[in-house]
Amino acid sequence: KAGVTQTPRYLIKTRGQQVTLSCSPISGHRSVSWYQQTPGQGLQFLFEYFSETQRNKGNFPGRFSGRQFSNSRSEMNVSTLELGDSALYLCASSSAVGVHHNEQFFGPGTRLTVL
Amino acid sequence: SQQGEEDPQALSIQEGENATMNCSYKTSINNLQWYRQNSGRGLVHLILIRSNEREKHSGRLRVTLDTSKKSSSLLITASRAADTASYFCATEVGGSNYKLTFGKGTLLTVNP
Repeated sequence: KAGVTQTPRYLIKTRGQQVTLSCSPISGHRSVSWYQQTPGQGLQFLFEYFSETQRNKGNFPGRFSGRQFSNSRSEMNVSTLELGDSALYLCASSSAVGVHHNEQFFGPGTRLTVL
Repeated sequence: SQQGEEDPQALSIQEGENATMNCSYKTSINNLQWYRQNSGRGLVHLILIRSNEREKHSGRLRVTLDTSKKSSSLLITASRAADTASYFCATEVGGSNYKLTFGKGTLLTVNP
């Protein structure tokens, strides 16, 4: 099976712009989670989608949003970019069968730089 | 605040030696997972241990979980230079299904 893919791999934006990142999960996985990784804050959970519904959300401002399509592909959007949004954005998919998490499979990430 | 905290923050050993990393957490969990990350790339899942398990093995990896102390340890035996990476513990907290909370990681350097 192909792994989790994320596009683009690198992105440079300026403050005030918006950005959309894309994630294609492993075939058959219906759960997609997004994380932000920075040197200062580490890995922080953004949100999780399952069957096109947001099931869980982290403590991020409303500028961060996401969605999931019927084929389980997911996008996240960040509006009005700030310098502090510079980070590695990681997407992970999981089969998430049952109540509790199974292992998550991570993509290579999108490195976002905000100038 | 982070649910999981790894200790030490950095560890440097010689090839062939064992490496032990610890993780402490604050609230009750459904499961605890360990991940490896090479140089700012995506994370690779290593092992998952559920709250009712005490020890799990996978190849050269051994994970223990002590729910009374709210702690876990990851042991890598006979380390190799290729094990050089950051290691993270992640917890799934009861009542917050599908949300993993990561610690800040242990940077392991294995010198050839």
